[in-house]
Amino acid sequence: EIVLTQSPGTLSLSPGERATLSCRASQSVSSSYLAWYQQKPGQAPRLLIYGASSRATGIPDRFSGSGSGTDFTLTISRLEPEDFAVYYCQQYGSSPILTFGPGTKVDIK
Amino acid sequence: EVQLVESGGGLVQPGGSLRLSCAASGFIFNTYAMSWVRQAPGKGLEWVSAISGSGSGGSTDYVDPVKGRFAISRDNSKNTLYLQMNSLRAEDTAVYYCAKDRGSSSGWGFDYWGQGTLVIVSS
Repeated sequence: EIVLTQSPGTLSLSPGERATLSCRASQSVSSSYLAWYQQKPGQAPRLLIYGASSRATGIPDRFSGSGSGTDFTLTISRLEPEDFAVYYCQQYGSSPILTFGPGTKVDIK
Repeated sequence: EVQLVESGGGLVQPGGSLRLSCAASGFIFNTYAMSWVRQAPGKGLEWVSAISGSGSGGSTDYVDPVKGRFAISRDNSKNTLYLQMNSLRAEDTAVYYCAKDRGSSSGWGFDYWGQGTLVIVSS
């Protein structure tokens, strides 16, 4: 089973600052199968990044993804007020075929 | 416009059963893999089950805690995804989301999600 670990658990930043979120896998993950989601309270998750680095439709270019193997990063270049939320990474691989990380909460400092 | 609308949640006693439905529209339903993802109150996301699209044979898979108790299925003629949940336990309490995969097989990212349906397992 591939376990995803996200750090930090909480990231306290101000609007306009850069956010760097980490997702580490217990085994190598194909970059094709690594995704990032944003979730706001009371809402369903929203796909931000797929294939480790491709932005989903309608996602602003301040969101970027990078990484390979076991280490992946989501970067928000300049935080907007609407970006304060919880972010999850997700991988597809061996059983269970799909797993999510525990999430990183980005809150307002 | 893609829409996923879940229904069927509610309060059920431990050991009971529920069937969740997800009505899909706005895309060629039979082509894409679909999943159920749940979120317990105040917790993170947990993938529950997936079914591939017709191009990938309609294969299914489950997370270990629900194997043998839950069954995913799809009716492509009705553009509807189902999750039959039996032998429900308190730890199955969660909001259940249906999610559309970007591909015919799972793993390419969930690009559309429903609004979720709440399942509460309690006596």
